[in-house]
Amino acid sequence: DADVTQTPRNRITKTGKRIMLECSQTKGHDRMYWYRQDPGLGLRLIYYSFDVKDINKGEISDGYSVSRQAQAKFSLSLESAIPNQTALYFCATSDLGGLTFGSGTRLTVV
Amino acid sequence: AQSVTQLGSHVSVSEGALVLLRCNYSSSVPPYLFWYVQYPNQGLQLLLKYTSAATLVKGINGFEAEFKKSETSFHLTKPSAHMSDAAEYFCAVSIKAAGNKLTFGGGTRVLVKP
Repeated sequence: DADVTQTPRNRITKTGKRIMLECSQTKGHDRMYWYRQDPGLGLRLIYYSFDVKDINKGEISDGYSVSRQAQAKFSLSLESAIPNQTALYFCATSDLGGLTFGSGTRLTVV
Repeated sequence: AQSVTQLGSHVSVSEGALVLLRCNYSSSVPPYLFWYVQYPNQGLQLLLKYTSAATLVKGINGFEAEFKKSETSFHLTKPSAHMSDAAEYFCAVSIKAAGNKLTFGGGTRVLVKP
């Protein structure tokens, strides 16, 4: 089993719909992150959590929300999806040695 | 705030030739530096990291990078490219004061020609 599992792998949704992306990890790490990847922009941080009670905005949090249901689970929600949220989304966990990424969720908003 | 610039969004090398990917960073305090690789349809995989020990860092798959504080650089090299090195490479920086959150460069896509 993968250390960091993201579901779904691919999703197409309509503008205005609410959608949730889920992430679970078996690394036992306290720190979890959500990034989005866009061509030429690298990865940009949306939200991060250092433990279950600690949630922080990243550089591009507008239009997104998160929930840390347990140490192992960190979900990302788009309350009302818009086309410019079409991107590849990655969840990651870390200790001080660097990030471990999931395989990503490719989201298309039409 | 820290930042990363990767010079060249695309690099083309011949199989067996040197691979050189450039990364410059900006940080007001000593940084941690990372290189990640992303193969098609996959997540990012850690290649190597610098965390204030030896300035020449060796990673997986024959890659290495050298931290040069005077040049604020952390360039990635591999002496001899292999077809399997075709991927996108990301440089990233973090600092302890920012909770070790990573800031990524825009990525460099490597094409390996036979």
